[in-house]
Amino acid sequence: DTGVSQNPRHKITKRGQNVTFRCDPISEHNRLYWYRQTLGQGPEFLTYFQNEAQLEKSRLLSDRFSAERPKGSFSTLEIQRTEQGDSAMYLCASRPGTSGVETQYFGPGTRLLVL
Amino acid sequence: DQQVKQNSPSLSVQEGRISILNCDYTNSMFDYFLWYKKYPAEGPTFLISISSIKDKNEDGRFTVFLNKSAKHLSLHIVPSQPGDSAVYFCAASALSPGGKLIFGQGTELSVKP
Repeated sequence: DTGVSQNPRHKITKRGQNVTFRCDPISEHNRLYWYRQTLGQGPEFLTYFQNEAQLEKSRLLSDRFSAERPKGSFSTLEIQRTEQGDSAMYLCASRPGTSGVETQYFGPGTRLLVL
Repeated sequence: DQQVKQNSPSLSVQEGRISILNCDYTNSMFDYFLWYKKYPAEGPTFLISISSIKDKNEDGRFTVFLNKSAKHLSLHIVPSQPGDSAVYFCAASALSPGGKLIFGQGTELSVKP
């Protein structure tokens, strides 16, 4: 399977705990995006990387959130001191860096429930 | 500020008939538009896209129409099949700076046999 993969698929945690999610993009896609989706809404942009450089962060990404892509391949999204409002589906997407190729391909998502 | 809007939360269509899903946007800087299909507990799956320099793009049963003057796009599915039942999202992006996607709220399509 050469699609975008995300782990874990589901995570249940208690308020105040830290969680980390991983995304493996499609090989050779140098752009990687994180989105968050809550019930009844479309995905909302969080941040994106070109290779290992984090080039844009949404104001939705509070200082409790941090994302990395250390070698320009997989990426991690960490949420510290989780709150109930963090409960959502976290989606990762990737695309080539080639100009004019705008389609992003999404992974299956990680569903987070904060109790 | 909802830059991309899908005003119909749901749509029900008979199998074999046409499904028309609509999307409006407000930002004239958007230059690329995409439609995604999503099943519960899965990530969005890309369906079809259109560049702002075109007004129509067709791929099999799926056609997307873009009306730039009205800032409106639509997805036509002909003929509709029960397997098309899912939530459909339209999304828009500007080429610069990073190509992030701005999504609408989604329309749940139900195709009845």
